[in-house]
Amino acid sequence: DGGITQSPKYLFRKEGQNVTLSCEQNLNHDAMYWYRQDPGQGLRLIYYSQIVNDFQKGDIAEGYSVSREKKESFPLTVTSAQKNPTAFYLCASGAGSYEQYFGPGTRLTVT
Amino acid sequence: LAKTTQPISMDSYEGQEVNITCSHNNIATNDYITWYQQFPSQGPRFIIQGYKTKVTNEVASLFIPADRKSSTLSLPRVSLSDTAVYYCLVGGISGGSYIPTFGRGTSLIVHP
Repeated sequence: DGGITQSPKYLFRKEGQNVTLSCEQNLNHDAMYWYRQDPGQGLRLIYYSQIVNDFQKGDIAEGYSVSREKKESFPLTVTSAQKNPTAFYLCASGAGSYEQYFGPGTRLTVT
Repeated sequence: LAKTTQPISMDSYEGQEVNITCSHNNIATNDYITWYQQFPSQGPRFIIQGYKTKVTNEVASLFIPADRKSSTLSLPRVSLSDTAVYYCLVGGISGGSYIPTFGRGTSLIVHP
């Protein structure tokens, strides 16, 4: 089955801890994206990557970091510098057309 | 400056046709118009995409006037399972990257 997976579905952390969210795709897509969604809001772009070993900041990159060592993987680290990390995080991939494929999301709660 | 403007919410009844209009006055020449559907606690799902005139697929139609400053997503004969948030996006390839912008979307509630 081709698709994009995110794990875990729910994640709980204490304030001050870094946490890494996983995103894997087997669609052979070059582009991958991370978005954040807050209740009742649209999606806001955190980081995106068009090719392995290269990534760009989106609109709200502060307090986040990413890596793209493999085409299939684009993990997102939420650092302690992110002031309001509790949110729903969505990963997506794209093949160069104007369509993005989204994963199921990870709901992060920081207390 | 928001790239798209949509109604915050809409209500409909089962079996009716629903039309959701999106305004994108500053659409660029190379921008495409894409619509996504999102259910609670899930990732958005692609519905339809177009550049101009009319596009139809098995789930929806997309109407784009000649000036491309707006677009209308048409959902025929909606059912309860069509209750979701619908996002209108405009975007194109810039610097080799496709970076669409999501607005707040339109929350559609379908009633029995």
